[in-house]
Amino acid sequence: DIVMTQFPDSLPVSLGERATISCKSSQTVLYSSNNKNYLAWYQQKPGQPPKLLIYWASTRESGVPARFSGSGSGTDFTLTISSLQAEDVAVYFCHQYYSTPFTFGQGTKLEIK
Amino acid sequence: QVHLQESGPGLVTPSQTLSLTCTVSDASISSYYWSWIRQPAGKGLEWIGRIHVSGSTEYNPSLGSRVTTSINTSRNQFSLKLSSVTAADTAIYYCARGGGQFDHWGQGVQVIVSS
Repeated sequence: DIVMTQFPDSLPVSLGERATISCKSSQTVLYSSNNKNYLAWYQQKPGQPPKLLIYWASTRESGVPARFSGSGSGTDFTLTISSLQAEDVAVYFCHQYYSTPFTFGQGTKLEIK
Repeated sequence: QVHLQESGPGLVTPSQTLSLTCTVSDASISSYYWSWIRQPAGKGLEWIGRIHVSGSTEYNPSLGSRVTTSINTSRNQFSLKLSSVTAADTAIYYCARGGGQFDHWGQGVQVIVSS
């Protein structure tokens, strides 16, 4: 199984500041034949299901604010929120769909400093 | 807007079979892969498996042979069965659209395994 490791586990950030969450996979999730990284990011608020934010490592899902961006390739990925808003408080998960069983990171809890 | 809704018993007796159904609205179940994912309280996400109307299924080996899924195109539903449950199977169970990234999720159903 591909192990997904996120850091930090908890991230306090001031409103309006940048938030950066990292995710590392135990093996590459870059498929060489199409040059796509099979990596997604989700946001989960209390009592709600996860919401897809980013797929193919850097493609924003429709309706997701532009302050959310994804980057990285191979085994190292980053989710960046350029200017934290109060409504961004949530747990964020990375997810690899390169190979089954699909796996998720343990989650990063983003909170207001 | 695509809508998914899980349904099924919220309490299952140990060693019995957990059965859940996901009803899909405003999307044809014939056009995508459909998955089940679970989340123990306060913990991370575990992918259970996926199904396609073609009959293709794939499951998480961590669950062994306990998992089966099925699809009912006439009702636009797909289902999950997890046999021989234990307390470790207590979780919120989600259905989702996708065989890779999951772009639409149900609200989830809490399943408790207890006698």
